[in-house]
Amino acid sequence: AQSVSQHNHHVILSEAASLELGCNYSYGGTVNLFWYVQYPGQHLQLLLKYFSGDPLVKGIKGFEAEFIKSKFSFNLRKPSVQWSDTAEYFCAVNARSGAGSYQLTFGKGTKLSVIP
Amino acid sequence: DVKVTQSSRYLVKRTGEKVFLECVQDMDHENMFWYRQDPGLGLRLIYFSYDVKMKEKGDIPEGYSVSREKKERFSLILESASTNQTSMYLCASIPAGTGSSYEQYFGPGTRLTVT
Repeated sequence: AQSVSQHNHHVILSEAASLELGCNYSYGGTVNLFWYVQYPGQHLQLLLKYFSGDPLVKGIKGFEAEFIKSKFSFNLRKPSVQWSDTAEYFCAVNARSGAGSYQLTFGKGTKLSVIP
Repeated sequence: DVKVTQSSRYLVKRTGEKVFLECVQDMDHENMFWYRQDPGLGLRLIYFSYDVKMKEKGDIPEGYSVSREKKERFSLILESASTNQTSMYLCASIPAGTGSSYEQYFGPGTRLTVT
């Protein structure tokens, strides 16, 4: 079964600092990768996804992520964070389950706090 | 506009009660999912359904059951609620046949407290 590991539980940054959130997954086959964001009190929403093609994926609000297949990684980056980026970020992997259907597996999440 | 709704935002139940959490999607999606979200544990899949009356266990099905009598509705049932089931419950849906690249659409969540 696939698993997802997010390196940091809580990251605290000042505004304008650069952000990188680590995500590693374990699955030997073809995967699709996602970053979701959950702002305080709001739904989970998709930030970006990797399906195929260019391993550098751009998402909403200036976020991007790079898929490095050899490292089983899909790290999230943003060059300059804003206070409004304060949220919890979840990395997720979609791969075939044992039953043959697709199953989305989430990491434990990284809470980002941006200090004005 | 895509919409997944959950019957309650907040619910307080007593230990031993039977609890029903309802989820409805208006997008004609075949696949529906129930997760629980706990601090430091992320989202964990409880059950999912890929068609009416079909269900599969996720990673933590113990203590839960589900019902999918209509395509748009997926219910999570706690037969006898326990305090360790206090959590945020999230429902999600996705169409069939789109491959694994499709994003899941999430409902707003139900925060269940079992006392």
